Formats: sequence, structure tokens, C-alpha cells
Amino acid sequence: EDQVTQSPEALRLQEGESSSLNCSYTVSGLRGLFWYRQDPGKGPEFLFTLYSAGEEKEKERLKATLTKKESFLHITAPKPEDSATYLCAAPTSGTYKYIFGTGTRLKVLA
Amino acid sequence: DTAVSQTPKYLVTQMGNDKSIKCEQNLGHDTMYWYKQDSKKFLKIMFSYNNKELIINETVPNRFSPKSPDKAHLNLHINSLELGDSAVYFCASSQVGDSEAFFGQGTRLTVV
Repeated sequence: EDQVTQSPEALRLQEGESSSLNCSYTVSGLRGLFWYRQDPGKGPEFLFTLYSAGEEKEKERLKATLTKKESFLHITAPKPEDSATYLCAAPTSGTYKYIFGTGTRLKVLA
Repeated sequence: DTAVSQTPKYLVTQMGNDKSIKCEQNLGHDTMYWYKQDSKKFLKIMFSYNNKELIINETVPNRFSPKSPDKAHLNLHINSLELGDSAVYFCASSQVGDSEAFFGQGTRLTVV
């Protein structure tokens, strides 16, 4: 069964303290691994798509990487405005749906 | 100039009532979705449509009926609302069934 698992469930960082969020997946014939950011009271906001192992994408303080079994979202020198829930998702093989992980709630303290 | 917009943002209603949520996207996408986010923030697919045709109905009770009058719109009608229907419902769209999806701001449904 296709599955996406995220860890940790919650993470508190001091401003400037770099860290990584993990997304493990078991999806047959992966056709993309997506990262989203969700702020309270809002819908998920698309960040990155990764398609193949070894691929990396960057946006400001965020860098997403992909291996054959997992993806990492690295946050370098985070700021309080990076506080949000980060979700990863993958489309399931042959169907029009995405499986989401349960998310990592990130809190960056000033 | 919102890409995916849904209305209303908040909906409070009594058990047994019927309600609708509307969704519109101006991205020109072919595929639209309804997702349900529970109290633990887990997003679960309910329905997906491609070119107005229902593709996925993910074991959702018959009380939930989506309707897609055209490619840009996907509405959700819920009959005989129950307490367990309380959640945040998100509409989303994507160009094709496995490209990145763009989400609306959500509708927080509270059934009392």
C-alpha cells in the first residue's frame, strides 16, 4: 500500500538553528514528491516538486532533496516567519490522488 | 486574483441540514479535487475530477455529492449533516492528475 510518513511530528528551533524534516515514502513508480507549507487557517502552499533521486531544489532558506526512499527539507538559519506546518505528498500510481504525510509542525523562536 | 477560491470560508450549521461549498479555479487546470483535513491536520482525498468527469470517489458517504458544471468549478453538496462531518474542506486543482496541486483557503465546517 502506498504510504507517506513524516517526522518529526513537531519541531521547535531557535532562530538561526538549522535542521531537517524527513519524509519517507513507499509509492510504486514515484511520479513526483511534493512539499507544501501550510499556515494556520490557510490552504497548503506549494513549495517544490522532486522527480528523481539526487535531485535538489532550493528556495530562500529551504532546500529539498530526494533519495529512493525519502525526501528531506533542510531549513538553513530559519526565521520566525518560517514557522508553519510542512507537508509532503506523492501522487499514487495510476490514480488522480495525492497521499499526504501527517506533516511537521515547525516553530521557530526569536 | 486568487487561483483557487472556495466559499464560504466558515460554515456553522445544525445536524441534519444540507449545505454546499463552492470552488472555482482560474488556472486553466483540467483536474480538481476535494480534500478533507481532520482535527489532526491530516489531508485525505475525497473526490477528484478530470475534465468534469469523476475519477476518484474515495469511500465517501453518499451524503456527499460533488458536481462539476465545467472544468473551472467543482462544488460539494452535503446532505443530512452529522457531527462527524466537522472538518476543514479544501478544494484543489492541478494541470494533470500527477502534477503539483494548488489549494484553496479551505472551508471550516462546524456541525452543532
